[in-house]
Amino acid sequence: EPEVTQTPSHQVTQMGQEVILRCVPISNHLYFYWYRQILGQKVEFLVSFYNNEISEKSEIFDDQFSVERPDGSNFTLKIRSTKLEDSAMYFCASSLQTDQQYFGPGTRLTVL
Amino acid sequence: GENVEQHPSTLSVQEGDSAVIKCTYSDSASNYFPWYKQELGKRPQLIIDIRSNVGEKKDQRIAVTLNKTAKHFSLHITETQPEDSAVYFCAATYSGNTPLVFGKGTRLSVIA
Repeated sequence: EPEVTQTPSHQVTQMGQEVILRCVPISNHLYFYWYRQILGQKVEFLVSFYNNEISEKSEIFDDQFSVERPDGSNFTLKIRSTKLEDSAMYFCASSLQTDQQYFGPGTRLTVL
Repeated sequence: GENVEQHPSTLSVQEGDSAVIKCTYSDSASNYFPWYKQELGKRPQLIIDIRSNVGEKKDQRIAVTLNKTAKHFSLHITETQPEDSAVYFCAATYSGNTPLVFGKGTRLSVIA
């Protein structure tokens, strides 16, 4: 069964550094998402992406964040200048139109 | 925007007993209600979902009920097993490809 994959599984960075989190959605899916989960808390929506543009974003997704689909398979989340409070598990998800969202295994981001 | 409340936050049951987790939502426009199971350190996995045109859906030991008038939906797990132990999240959204709004999660422990 196809799955969403994410790399790296764990990223440690210094405050103020840029990080890029990578995702490979399920190949025939059309909608892509980033969510985050701070340790012990609920999953929160960051951004959704369809037809090569952002379709929705939350208030968390400020100017420090950006997303890109650089080729036909990858979907990336960039954090320009990381803050301590960006430490969280970041999940990529994908879906077909009006269908279930399938989550990747996550990237644990630790900002020191 | 949508707000999802989930209860209880923790639930312990004896193996073989039933478990019920309840969620309420605020936005009457929400039409899609998935449930995710998350084991420690792993991705949220979709276990069952329901759309607003049905009141109940069952898949083996798992069932979900929806009351659109009251804006609440529930997950029922029968004949619980130790491997059912996990955190369960409910979510609500307009359709399968719009951002999911999650509840805070219920940590279910099944005691053998």
